This record gives sequence, C-alpha cells and structure tokens, in this order.
Amino acid sequence: DVKVTQSSRYLVKRTGEKVFLECVQDMDHENMFWYRQDPGLGLRLIYFSYDVKMKEKGDIPEGYSVSREKKERFSLILESASTNQTSMYLCASSQKYRFATEAFFGQGTRLTVV
Amino acid sequence: AQSVTQLDSHVSVSEGTPVLLRCNYSSSYSPSLFWYVQHPNKGLQLLLKYTSAATLVKGINGFEAEFKKSETSFHLTKPSAHMSDAAEYFCARPSTSGTYKYIFGTGTRLKVLA
Repeated sequence: DVKVTQSSRYLVKRTGEKVFLECVQDMDHENMFWYRQDPGLGLRLIYFSYDVKMKEKGDIPEGYSVSREKKERFSLILESASTNQTSMYLCASSQKYRFATEAFFGQGTRLTVV
Repeated sequence: AQSVTQLDSHVSVSEGTPVLLRCNYSSSYSPSLFWYVQHPNKGLQLLLKYTSAATLVKGINGFEAEFKKSETSFHLTKPSAHMSDAAEYFCARPSTSGTYKYIFGTGTRLKVLA
C-alpha cells in the first residue's frame, strides 16, 4: 500500500518559533508537494519539488522554505511562525509523468501557532 | 487559463438518495481528471480517476464519474448516499503549463441527512 507519512498530526507552536514539518513517501516518486488548506480557500500550493535538491515556489511561498536532501523526504520550514500560519498542512507526492498519474496525500498536519 | 470549477460549495442529501457533485474543467483537449475525498482532519484520498480510457469511471465506495467532453464535465455520482459519505470532495487535474503541479477545485462539502 502506497504511503505518504507526515511526522505529526497535530502541532502547537509559539509565535516566532522555527517549525519543521516532515513528509516521507515510500513510492519512489520524483515529485513532492506542500499545500495548506484553509476554510473557504481550498488547497493552496506552497512549494513543490521535482527532484532531489530541486524546488519551485508555488502560489503562497512567503514565510516558508523547503528542503529535499533525499528523494523520499520533503520538509517544510516555517522560519518564524506567525499566527496567520495556523492551518492544515498537506504533503503529497506523484510520479514524474504527471498527465495520467494522481497525487498521493499524507494524513495532514494541523498546526496551531499561538 | 486552465481551471477546474466545482459548481456547488455545499450539497445536502438524505441518506439513501442519489448524490451528484458537479465538476467542470477548461481545456482544449481531454485531460486526466481526478476526484478526491477528504474526511474531517484527514488527508485527501483518491476516489477515482479518468485517464482517457473509458468515459464512465468507477471508483471506491460505490462512486462513479462520467467524462463528457462535449460538456467539459466530470460529475461525481453515487446511487444511494450513506452517512459515511459526509465529507469534502475535490475535483482535480494535472497542470499542463510545463510544471508538475495539480489544479484543484475549491471543494464541495457533502452533508448526508438521516
């Protein structure tokens, strides 16, 4: 069974903290994604990576950075957490040949910044 | 511009009655299309996908969708709703703009009444 695993289901952090959200996939997928999901706004792409050490900004990259040192792992970093980053964060992965392949999602991390 | 439009943000049905969740796409050709389901505080799970084979696609949990090129639609249906179908549903497609991104609809929240 294919798996995308996010390191935490729920996380509470303080304003100004540096926050790491980890995601691991076991499907040998080239592409990995980080989304945030907020009520009424749907899924918004933060960053994605199409290969090790390669990354591209999505629609809302401000306040975030990412790291992909190994193919199976994609980390999202909040450099200095703020309350407006309280959200549900979803990691996903997909094969390189995207036209017929779906994205597989992790279970989500609900982050609260206080 | 490429887009995926979910025509209803909320749909309510009674248990045992049919479900129809609507999705339209914009494209000059037939893209791959996906339906995902998200239960509260969970990640997205693939329900079904269309990849230019049969136009009627069957998915998990009794859901199916029909690809209609003439109407640029990919509506999701189920003959008889169950309480466990209450969730949010997303229609999606791969971007064809030279990146590996996906385009998601804004979601339809399905409520099932006892």
